[in-house]
Amino acid sequence: SQTIHQWPATLVQPVGSPLSLECTVEGTSNPNLYWYRQAAGRGLQLLFYSVGIGQISSEVPQNLSASRPQDRQFILSSKKLLLSDSGFYLCAWSVFGIVRQYFGPGTRLTVT
Amino acid sequence: GESVGLHLPTLSVQEGDNSIINCAYSNSASDYFIWYKQESGKGPQFIIDIRSNMDKRQGQRVTVLLNKTVKHLSLQIAATQPGDSAVYFCAETRPMTTDSWGKLQFGAGTQVVVTP
Repeated sequence: SQTIHQWPATLVQPVGSPLSLECTVEGTSNPNLYWYRQAAGRGLQLLFYSVGIGQISSEVPQNLSASRPQDRQFILSSKKLLLSDSGFYLCAWSVFGIVRQYFGPGTRLTVT
Repeated sequence: GESVGLHLPTLSVQEGDNSIINCAYSNSASDYFIWYKQESGKGPQFIIDIRSNMDKRQGQRVTVLLNKTVKHLSLQIAATQPGDSAVYFCAETRPMTTDSWGKLQFGAGTQVVVTP
């Protein structure tokens, strides 16, 4: 069966520090991968999606970037965090060509 | 603009009763809908989905109803249990084209609180 992992689970970072969040998927090949951010008590905002290695599409211009160095690995990064980057970051995957997405456990990021 | 939204931000349900969570969508071209459940501090969990060529689909204790005439989607939970307490999101997507690759549009969510 397929599983999706995210780490770290929680992170507290000062403003201006770099960020690296990692997501990996097991049990499937060539998945579509997604990064979402969720503000407290709010819905999900799509940040990036990827249909293959090295292919990244950005949905929202911002302080973040994403990379996909391997088929089942998706990384969310920032060079300098802002207070507004705080939130719950969710990685998701779907079978290529299929809409249904499956979410990871999330990373709670607090920028202080 | 086009959007997916929920009628009720919070729904309080007595344990054992049936829950009905509503969702409206504005794009008649939407052809696929999903319900997710998100417990506090966790990622959303897939519950059930439905395509626009159907008006009803049933799962274990859940039923999704789709009314395309009024662009309305609902999730019914039978015999609500304390473990059903969570935020429920509906999401929709449009037919895959070069501009719409199957991206999900999420509603704001409804908090369901199950009381004893």
